[in-house]
Amino acid sequence: DTGVSQNPRHKITKRGQNVTFRCDPISEHNRLYWYRQTLGQGPEFLTYFQNEAQLEKSRLLSDRFSAERPKGSFSTLEIQRTEQGDSAMYLCASSSQLARETQYFGPGTRLLVL
Amino acid sequence: GNSVTQMEGPVTLSEEAFLTINCTYTATGYPSLFWYVQYPGEGLQLLLKATKADDKGSNKGFEATYRKETTSFHLEKGSVQVSDSAVYFCALSDRDTGNQFYFGTGTSLTVIP
Repeated sequence: DTGVSQNPRHKITKRGQNVTFRCDPISEHNRLYWYRQTLGQGPEFLTYFQNEAQLEKSRLLSDRFSAERPKGSFSTLEIQRTEQGDSAMYLCASSSQLARETQYFGPGTRLLVL
Repeated sequence: GNSVTQMEGPVTLSEEAFLTINCTYTATGYPSLFWYVQYPGEGLQLLLKATKADDKGSNKGFEATYRKETTSFHLEKGSVQVSDSAVYFCALSDRDTGNQFYFGTGTSLTVIP
């Protein structure tokens, strides 16, 4: 069990650029979640997948955001035309079929939009 | 809807002091309750959990009891150590909303020797 991994750990980009983050969940965890955490706040839900199906999206997930989990394993989160307000820590978590209520978090990707 | 209200920080305690961090919740269903800890420069780690009323979660000397009558899940530790310095998040998970987590704003704890 290697835990949830996220890449890159840090990303600095200029406003208007596109960025993509990757999350590798714990092996055989069928649920994968994305959250956003801004400074001094708790994480806020963005979206989640059960296997390859995206089952729910938060209203925080504007049309500039898209997430995929094409083979039900790793997931990507893309932000198009980044804005300074997108600067945050993006967290990924996964859970298993047998213990859906417990999520295990990755270290996060810290995004800074200049 | 679902939400978590957490005691505001920061909290500063001397080593071996007693710790309480208050957490209350509102939920439409029957949530599971969690405490996560975030050490400096690290990701969120599960500290303890309780999945039904009157359950007590415990780990590393920390405890929290799921109190449905007061909709609370307060975190306690009898004797804190410097290594407990971190940010603590209370959270709930409700299967009626896909088990997405609702987090409190976090409480920063600093323990001084």
